[in-house]
Amino acid sequence: AQRVTQPEKLLSVFKGAPVELKCNYSYSGSPELFWYVQYSRQRLQLLLRHISRESIKGFTADLNKGETSFHLKKPFAQEEDSAMYYCALSGSGSDKLIFGTGTRLQVFP
Amino acid sequence: DAGITQSPRHKVTETGTPVTLRCHQTENHRYMYWYRQDPGHGLRLIHYSYGVKDTDKGEVSDGYSVSRSKTEDFLLTLESATSSQTSVYFCAISAKTLDLQETQYFGPGTRLLVL
Repeated sequence: AQRVTQPEKLLSVFKGAPVELKCNYSYSGSPELFWYVQYSRQRLQLLLRHISRESIKGFTADLNKGETSFHLKKPFAQEEDSAMYYCALSGSGSDKLIFGTGTRLQVFP
Repeated sequence: DAGITQSPRHKVTETGTPVTLRCHQTENHRYMYWYRQDPGHGLRLIHYSYGVKDTDKGEVSDGYSVSRSKTEDFLLTLESATSSQTSVYFCAISAKTLDLQETQYFGPGTRLLVL
């Protein structure tokens, strides 16, 4: 079954600390992985796609097929990074997304 | 914001009443989706559409119906609202980015409270 697991509901760090938001997936094939971010009471915004191998707002994520993971990392957290982060998966050739349950990141000053 | 708007943005209704939420897009995207967002569940797909009059069920479609009579509008109807349908509803479209990757873009959401 296709599934995305985000084991942490809440992650709290201080400004300047490294951040890693965990995402594991279950999919029999070659999935496409995404990270979406939702700032307080705003719409979801695409943050990263694994296929683009990009860095946005200092965040990076590497697809590890062996561990079926797509963890989101940032070396130095900023207060403005406080938001809800969702990992999502789509199957190869599919347009539909399967979301994880989300991790709320709180960055304290 | 990929030209996506939702209306209403907030609604309070009573159990048993019908409710229709509207998603409107201005960029002629073919694929549209309705999700609900709930704590502990993330976002779950309710229904989706591949074009005018072409819709299908998602993961949590029970109690919901949709219609798409025009490319730009995708309507979600709760035939008889229940308290379990209290949620935040997001519409999304799928569009190709500059590097030709299909990506979903979301509307601002509708907060629905069923009393």
